[in-house]
Amino acid sequence: NAGVTQTPKFQVLKTGQSMTLQCAQDMNHNSMYWYRQDPGMGLRLIYYSASEGTTDKGEVPNGYNVSRLNKREFSLRLESAAPSQTSVYFCASSGQTGLHQPQHFGDGTRLSIL
Amino acid sequence: GQQLNQSPQSMFIQEGEDVSMNCTSSSIFNTWLWYKQDPGEGPVLLIALYKAGELTSNGRLTAQFGITRKDSFLNISASIPSDVGIYFCAGPSGGSNYKLTFGKGTLLTVNP
Repeated sequence: NAGVTQTPKFQVLKTGQSMTLQCAQDMNHNSMYWYRQDPGMGLRLIYYSASEGTTDKGEVPNGYNVSRLNKREFSLRLESAAPSQTSVYFCASSGQTGLHQPQHFGDGTRLSIL
Repeated sequence: GQQLNQSPQSMFIQEGEDVSMNCTSSSIFNTWLWYKQDPGEGPVLLIALYKAGELTSNGRLTAQFGITRKDSFLNISASIPSDVGIYFCAGPSGGSNYKLTFGKGTLLTVNP
């Protein structure tokens, strides 16, 4: 009953470091998403993958790259972290019911860039 | 880009009271979604609306898709302490059903 699993839960980086946020879902969902959430703001879409093998930019893609490794996994990479990327990152998925918007979210990765 | 305005920003109510909140858009939406986020967790999809005028319930929650297609409403009846959290509205934007625009949320506090 895992749903959407994100790792790590917390991370502190120095400016310029790189890292990859991992996300996996066990619900056989086609679509997966990466969002960031900043204080006082709603979630903003970074990238999404409508199906295995495809990825598209969202609202705030600059500074990020993604990989849809297979149907289960969708990773988010920061090549050169900047303080402006300090945020809480959420991965989400949606299933086969025709709903193209996220249904299930992970519990988030809290990322601080110093 | 499209903006969603949620009102009120925060609410403090007594257990047992009914709650109403709303969301307005600067443009027409073909889908409205309502999510709830508990502290330290990801959002949970509560209700999805697909047609103007549609009224949909999920337990004590009822949401409506406004007739103008530029607004939506969420009502919670007989609130309980576990209703505490942030409620977000959202709708597809940017010409893609996959790209959601979120409101900034309504913070609900329920006093037992």
